[in-house]
Amino acid sequence: DTGVSQDPRHKITKRGQNVTFRCDPISEHNRLYWYRQTLGQGPEFLTYFQNEAQLEKSRLLSDRFSAERPKGSFSTLEIQRTEQGDSAMYLCASSFAGGGNTEAFFGQGTRLTVV
Amino acid sequence: AQKVTQAQTEISVVEKEDVTLDCVYETRDTTYYLFWYKQPPSGELVFLIRRNSFDEQNEISGRYSWNFQKSTSSFNFTITASQVVDSAVYFCALTPYGQNFVFGPGTRLSVLP
Repeated sequence: DTGVSQDPRHKITKRGQNVTFRCDPISEHNRLYWYRQTLGQGPEFLTYFQNEAQLEKSRLLSDRFSAERPKGSFSTLEIQRTEQGDSAMYLCASSFAGGGNTEAFFGQGTRLTVV
Repeated sequence: AQKVTQAQTEISVVEKEDVTLDCVYETRDTTYYLFWYKQPPSGELVFLIRRNSFDEQNEISGRYSWNFQKSTSSFNFTITASQVVDSAVYFCALTPYGQNFVFGPGTRLSVLP
C-alpha cells in the first residue's frame, strides 16, 4: 500500500453536471476525511467517516454534496448540479484512530474545474 | 470554536539561512493535537510533525525543530540551514483527537539559491 489514492486527478465539467470522486485510503486506516482547498487557502474540512459511519459534516457542505463510505474502505464524494464556486482541489485523507496516533495522510487530490 | 492563525503569509530567505514559521491556535479543548504539514508545488500535503497538548517537550529532527508553548498557544516550526527543496507552503493544523482538522491559512516559504 503506497498511500491515499484519489481518482480522477483532474476533472473539468460543465455547470449543472454531476461529478463523483473516489478515494482509497491507507488500508489499515479507519478514519477517512474529505477537505476542499481553493487557491491560496488552507484546506477546509467537509466531512469525515469512522469506518462506514459519517460522524461529522461541515456546515460548508450543502445539500448538493454527499459522501459515502459503504464498506468502511473506499469513499466517494458526489457533487450534484455543479456550480462555478465548486471549482477547487478536493483532498482526501485517512488516519488510524487509536493508540495515540492521530495524524492524517493526504492523497494528491482531485482538481475540479467547473466551466 | 477552534482556530489556527499563521500571521506570515510569505517568507523569503536565502539558502542556508534559518527560518521560523509561526503558528498560534485557539481551542477550548483540554486535549488536542497540533501538526505541521508541508505542501510542495506538486500539491500533496505531507505530514511533518504531531504534538500532543500534554507534551510540551520540544523536539529537533535533523534540520527541523518545533517549539510548543501552551502558555502562549503557539506551535512554531524552525528550519535550520534552509535548502531550496524546502520551498513550499507550510500549514499548521489542530484537532481534538483526530476529528475535524482545522488548518491555518498557510505560510509560503521561498528559499532562494
